[in-house]
Amino acid sequence: SSELTQDPAVSVALGQTVRITCQGDSLRSYYASWYQQKPGQAPVLVIYGKNNRPSGIPDRFSGSSSGNTASLTITGAQAEDEADYYCNSRDSSGNHHVVFGGGTKLTVL
Amino acid sequence: EVQLVESGGGLVQPGGSLRLSCAASGFTFSSYWMSWVRQAPGKGLEWVANIKQDGSEKYYVDSVKGRFTISRDNAKNSLYLQMNSLRAEDTAVYYCAREYIVATTDAFDIWGQGTMVTVSS
Repeated sequence: SSELTQDPAVSVALGQTVRITCQGDSLRSYYASWYQQKPGQAPVLVIYGKNNRPSGIPDRFSGSSSGNTASLTITGAQAEDEADYYCNSRDSSGNHHVVFGGGTKLTVL
Repeated sequence: EVQLVESGGGLVQPGGSLRLSCAASGFTFSSYWMSWVRQAPGKGLEWVANIKQDGSEKYYVDSVKGRFTISRDNAKNSLYLQMNSLRAEDTAVYYCAREYIVATTDAFDIWGQGTMVTVSS
């Protein structure tokens, strides 16, 4: 099965821009989706597809992809953006399996 | 309001069984693939299983294959996870999630609040 790799931790100064990456072979065939999870809460979808935001997600969140790497960019990070971020995609093995990255803890300084 | 509500979690001994339920409301349940995703304490998200709209296709992560069974009842707008032969490593919060699938995108756009399963003697 496929794997998705994320940096365990990333930090950003308040108001600055941060990029969180996700690498894996499946991303050559499928778009990554991104989730924000705060302590004690269920994950929330923030980006899906090429670069789509669900209703209610601020436009400071954006997504991009190149080769086997997908990126989530937060432009002008806010204190409330401090959270764990996970990527996921369909497994590239041809069945309907799904795979998640290990998650990135974002700290807003 | 679109909503998923899980139930059925609890404390169970190793080797025991548990059945999780997920009640869906606010959308046409029978039109969506559905999944179970779990999160062990302090760990990341792990996809567990999913099921096609009509129940004709089911997929599982290797670690639960042969022990867990996903099912659905579209008449009751409900998703289930039957967990047998439970192990300590199955201890996690179990989330029910709706899959949004378009072309090469497979996202979980709606999540339940989760139900805790603890496997311990």
